[in-house]
Amino acid sequence: EDQVTQSPEALRLQEGESSSLNCSYTVSGLRGLFWYRQDPGKGPEFLFTLYSAGEEKEKERLKATLTKKESFLHITAPKPEDSATYLCAVQVQGGSEKLVFGKGTKLTVNP
Amino acid sequence: NAGVTQTPKFQVLKTGQSMTLQCAQDMNHEYMSWYRQDPGMGLRLIHYSVGAGITDQGEVPNGYNVSRSTTEDFPLRLLSAAPSQTSVYFCASSYGGSVYSYEQYFGPGTRLTVT
Repeated sequence: EDQVTQSPEALRLQEGESSSLNCSYTVSGLRGLFWYRQDPGKGPEFLFTLYSAGEEKEKERLKATLTKKESFLHITAPKPEDSATYLCAVQVQGGSEKLVFGKGTKLTVNP
Repeated sequence: NAGVTQTPKFQVLKTGQSMTLQCAQDMNHEYMSWYRQDPGMGLRLIHYSVGAGITDQGEVPNGYNVSRSTTEDFPLRLLSAAPSQTSVYFCASSYGGSVYSYEQYFGPGTRLTVT
């Protein structure tokens, strides 16, 4: 069964304190791995897609990396506005576009 | 572009009532899907469609029906609401058909309470 596990469930950081979120996956064949940001009361907002091990993507203070078993979302010098729940999802090879989501990491950045 | 729109934003139903959650997108996306999000469970796929006239079941399809008569619209029908269907429902869409086009864009959600 395809599974996605995110850790930690919740993370509190001080403004400027860099850290990483983890997304580990067990799938029969990875087509793509996606990171989303979700603010309270809103729909998930697309951040990155990673397709192969070794790939990296960056956007402002966020950097996503991918290995054969996991992905990391690195947050450098976070600001309070980075507070949100970050979701990881995988798309499995096999012709379908279905996404399997992890449960998310709730990030709080204190000023 | 309005992107993905959902109506209503909030809804309260009594057990046994039926209703339709509306979803529309103006990006000419082929792929559309419905998810539910529950505390501690993450997003779970209910139904999806790879194009007009084609639908399939996701992980948790029981109690829900869908149809796709146009590219733009993908309504979700609750046949006989149950308290277990209390949740936040999200509609999503993507281009489809290309290995680099699978990013899914989500609507703002419908918060449904069944009493």
